[in-house]
Amino acid sequence: RKEVEQDPGPFNVPEGATVAFNCTYSNSASQSFFWYRQDCRKEPKLLMSVYSSGNEDGRFTAQLNRASQYISLLIRDSKLSDSATYLCVVTPYSSASKIIFGSGTRLSIRP
Amino acid sequence: EAQVTQNPRYLITVTGKKLTVTCSQNMNHEYMSWYRQDPGLGLRQIYYSMNVEVTDKGDVPEGYKVSRKEKRNFPLILESPSPNQTSLYFCASSSQGHPSVLSYNEQFFGPGTRLTVL
Repeated sequence: RKEVEQDPGPFNVPEGATVAFNCTYSNSASQSFFWYRQDCRKEPKLLMSVYSSGNEDGRFTAQLNRASQYISLLIRDSKLSDSATYLCVVTPYSSASKIIFGSGTRLSIRP
Repeated sequence: EAQVTQNPRYLITVTGKKLTVTCSQNMNHEYMSWYRQDPGLGLRQIYYSMNVEVTDKGDVPEGYKVSRKEKRNFPLILESPSPNQTSLYFCASSSQGHPSVLSYNEQFFGPGTRLTVL
């Protein structure tokens, strides 16, 4: 079983729709969680950190469910510019030594 | 401008010809790491370094070497490249910081190096 698993998609949704992805992780000791965004042939960039209490940044909401060991990303009122691959990232609490990336979920927003 | 740079950006080489991909960051970050990205497999960590002269293996270290003689530089060395090392490589850096700090563990990535080994 992979340490971090994501549905690869692609998710193809109309502009303005709400879309959500989940990411499951296998190591219950994982403590830091992030969503990164990667545009085609570009480097990944941090979208948002995921906190225990959940957090929101504009149209984006991230949630953490420790009991079921998954994190989620919700995008409201999706824009064409949201088309990208979204990577789930999990790290241990104690250090940055082991950083595990999911293989990514591809999102395509159509006009 | 705060950034991570990699060189070269594109490289086509032949099996067995030693090569080095350079990585440099200007953010005074302690932590640096190399990843390779392959279709369907996502980013996999090759090697990482917690600080100068401290390096450790990631998930896929076979066939690679690294060194960290200076804080800003973290070159990736392929002593004898093989076709299965054809991939997109990313270097990244981050501040160790404290877990409560918002930027904790945020990885800053270089633009990538696309390597083809024939």
